[in-house]
Amino acid sequence: GAGVSQTPSNKVTEKGKYVELRCDPISGHTALYWYRQSLGQGPEFLIYFQGTGAADDSGLPNDRFFAVRPEGSVSTLKIQRTERGDSAVYLCASSPQGGSTDTQYFGPGTRLTVL
Amino acid sequence: AQSVAQPEDQVNVAEGNPLTVKCTYSVSGNPYLFWYVQYPNRGLQFLLKYITGDNLVKGSYGFEAEFNKSQTSFHLKKPSALVSDSALYFCAVRDVPTGGFKTIFGAGTRLFVKA
Repeated sequence: GAGVSQTPSNKVTEKGKYVELRCDPISGHTALYWYRQSLGQGPEFLIYFQGTGAADDSGLPNDRFFAVRPEGSVSTLKIQRTERGDSAVYLCASSPQGGSTDTQYFGPGTRLTVL
Repeated sequence: AQSVAQPEDQVNVAEGNPLTVKCTYSVSGNPYLFWYVQYPNRGLQFLLKYITGDNLVKGSYGFEAEFNKSQTSFHLKKPSALVSDSALYFCAVRDVPTGGFKTIFGAGTRLFVKA
């Protein structure tokens, strides 16, 4: 079956611009996660959705970052006033129920470059 | 606070030889432990997880890992390495129940298997 998909695969933007990154989870998965992976590092947790609500947004670095999942399926990560330090690969994952023992299934990521 | 350490940036092994990729963790509660593999230009793929029960966990592609509570380790192993195992490996932990659903990843270990 179809896995987690993310669009775009690459995004280049200029400092100060606004960007949106999209994630389509596996059909039927209620939990969705966003991570950020910088070069040479492991994924860093950003936010976790259970259904439509953000159950844990403690990983969002500041108020320039925001994510939504209005219908409990597709999610959009929004970054305002981008900075060069935001350059990274943004990963999305989904899991069937969001329980603590759930396996997360990752998408291929969106590589964001802020010039 | 929960953390994961992968002490080796890179592991080199000859094809056919056994391999070990090391992981140690720190949590305040009971850990749930995971291994993921990342191939170039692809998302993270789940290999195996330890939740409870038998300390030796078997996963995909012939990999296994042993949970050692006294040493707070969860090393990944395979009896006979293949060239196709060459990839980036990540260990991850969830601190249950204090850490909720946040998953903390190590920085990764690059495995090179030489023919």
